Amino acid sequence: AQRVTQPEKLLSVFKGAPVELKCNYSYSGSPELFWYVQYSRQRLQLLLRHISRESIKGFTADLNKGETSFHLKKPFAQEEDSAMYYCALSGKNTPLVFGKGTRLSVIA
Amino acid sequence: DTGVSQDPRHKITKRGQNVTFRCDPISEHNRLYWYRQTLGQGPEFLTYFQNEAQLEKSRLLSDRFSAERPKGSFSTLEIQRTEQGDSAMYLCASSLVTGGFQETQYFGPGTRLLVL
Repeated sequence: AQRVTQPEKLLSVFKGAPVELKCNYSYSGSPELFWYVQYSRQRLQLLLRHISRESIKGFTADLNKGETSFHLKKPFAQEEDSAMYYCALSGKNTPLVFGKGTRLSVIA
Repeated sequence: DTGVSQDPRHKITKRGQNVTFRCDPISEHNRLYWYRQTLGQGPEFLTYFQNEAQLEKSRLLSDRFSAERPKGSFSTLEIQRTEQGDSAMYLCASSLVTGGFQETQYFGPGTRLLVL
């Protein structure tokens, strides 16, 4: 069964501190992994996808197939990073399966 | 704004009434998805279209739900005989699939449904 687990509902960090949002997945095959972000009063938008291997807004995520994880990291949190973050996976050309999300709160 | 648009943004209805939502995807996108999101949950897949063909429906999509994309452009999602459990945010997303590769799914702002 396809499943995405985000163990933390809420993560609070101080400005300038490192951030790690955890994501574990279950999928038989080779999934594609994504992180989506939703800022207050805005629509859901793609933050990054693992095949791009890009760093967006200072965030990176590495796919670890052995641990079936795709944790999102940023070395120094900023207040504007406060948002809801969703980890998601898909197979080849299939719909996205989302986790329940983690709310990141960056405290000044 | 050339992004995905949805109408209406909010809908309040009484139990038992029918409601219809519209989604206009990004114009060149051939894939269109419907998701539902309830409080404290991530979006959950309902159904999707490739051009005008409905290719997959989730078990979440009961027989009270029907979706269409008649000309391969905009899509409608109808809920008949609404129930309080249908209260949720209904999200539409579109993407371009070419040569077997799916590009990013872009989401609309959603339609928030409240069934009283």
